[in-house]
Amino acid sequence: EVQLVESGGGLVQPGGSLRLSCAASGFKVSSYYMTWVRQAPGKGLEWVSVIYSGGDTYDADSVKGRFSISRDNSKNTVYLEMSSLRAEDTAVYYCARVQRSGRYPIDYWGQGALVTVSS
Amino acid sequence: DIQMTQSPSSVSASVGDRVTITCRASQDISGWLAWYQQKPGKAPKLLMYPASSLQSGVPSRFRGTGSGTHFTLTISSLQPEDFATYYCQQADSFPLTFGGGTKVEIK
Repeated sequence: EVQLVESGGGLVQPGGSLRLSCAASGFKVSSYYMTWVRQAPGKGLEWVSVIYSGGDTYDADSVKGRFSISRDNSKNTVYLEMSSLRAEDTAVYYCARVQRSGRYPIDYWGQGALVTVSS
Repeated sequence: DIQMTQSPSSVSASVGDRVTITCRASQDISGWLAWYQQKPGKAPKLLMYPASSLQSGVPSRFRGTGSGTHFTLTISSLQPEDFATYYCQQADSFPLTFGGGTKVEIK
């Protein structure tokens, strides 16, 4: 059974840093594109970052230079390193798997990790 | 980036009603469109992909149509468990982009 479990969310001051983890089971993260999608309170879904199966990464313009996605194949875990956090980064962050066939739909999502940026 | 425009932003409907949600892409994405259902406090769930293909376990009252730049999701006879927010997403290229969402509320 495919499962994605996020951890590491919490309250952080503006300008601070935080690392989210996403532990996967039921498949190998190295074989899939893995992505982060966020949702600000009461708002819609916003794509954040992707790590391709080959290891390259691509970030949304809104987080470029501040966020970094990575993975540890031995732990089957994906990370989102966030720095220079702003109030507008406050959101639930979902770790998700991109389906392997036919372009890029998201077939599995984690339960989400809440990140609150506030002083 | 491909912009996704979804309408309406909300709709009030009764059990048994037919509901149609529209999604437009700013450029041709062929049939590479996904629909998701999200309930409060939960992660989105993939309903349809590509544009007209039901995911396993999704009831047949959900129907997706369209290709190119214009897509629709229709719920033929609304059930109590269908009250939720629905999002479209273009799956053609990164950066992935979502529509703004349509909240289906109880009338």
